[in-house]
Amino acid sequence: DAGVIQSPRHEVTEMGQEVTLRCKPISGHNSLFWYRQTMMRGLELLIYFNNNVPIDDSGMPEDRFSAKMPNASFSTLKIQPSEPRDSAVYFCASSFGHNTGELFFGEGSRLTVL
Amino acid sequence: QQQVKQSPQSLIVQKGGISIINCAYENTAFDYFPWYQQFPGKGPALLIAIRPDVSEKKEGRFTISFNKSAKQFSLHIMDSQPGDSATYFCAAVSFSRKIIFGKGTRLHILP
Repeated sequence: DAGVIQSPRHEVTEMGQEVTLRCKPISGHNSLFWYRQTMMRGLELLIYFNNNVPIDDSGMPEDRFSAKMPNASFSTLKIQPSEPRDSAVYFCASSFGHNTGELFFGEGSRLTVL
Repeated sequence: QQQVKQSPQSLIVQKGGISIINCAYENTAFDYFPWYQQFPGKGPALLIAIRPDVSEKKEGRFTISFNKSAKQFSLHIMDSQPGDSATYFCAAVSFSRKIIFGKGTRLHILP
């Protein structure tokens, strides 16, 4: 079975550039999460969708971050403009049901902003 | 602010020993407590989970102990193996369905 698929796996960009991270959740899962992982802050929830609708975006750092889920099989996380402090590993996760706590994570997108 | 405090930050255990990771939460608004295991370069993966009406849950070499009155729960890995070397995260799911993760414990099992 295909798990959560994220792309790109690695992204190196320069400060000020736009970054788009992509996620395909597990088929049949109706909740999708974007997390950011750093050594200093651990795993931080950025945004959570249920049935394609954003439920909790309180973790989105600032207006430079935006996330969309146009359909049940695709989501994007966009950073514009990117800054060096955005360097982190970004994980997408999905689950069946309304945030049961049983998340299936992708392998992550490692972002480096120079 | 709801928090889950995890300790230790890092842990070194001899092969065959018992690895113990502890977590504590600050209020009673949680009803599900999963543990996740993360290998380098991979995403976290659900390992084992417990509900607060149960004091212990065992799956193979992994056991969660839960102390509701103390608001603490812990992961025990029996007969620890080098393949268990990973980062472990405890988490708590609130009634409002928000998942709070601990900061993680880097476990290294010496061969």
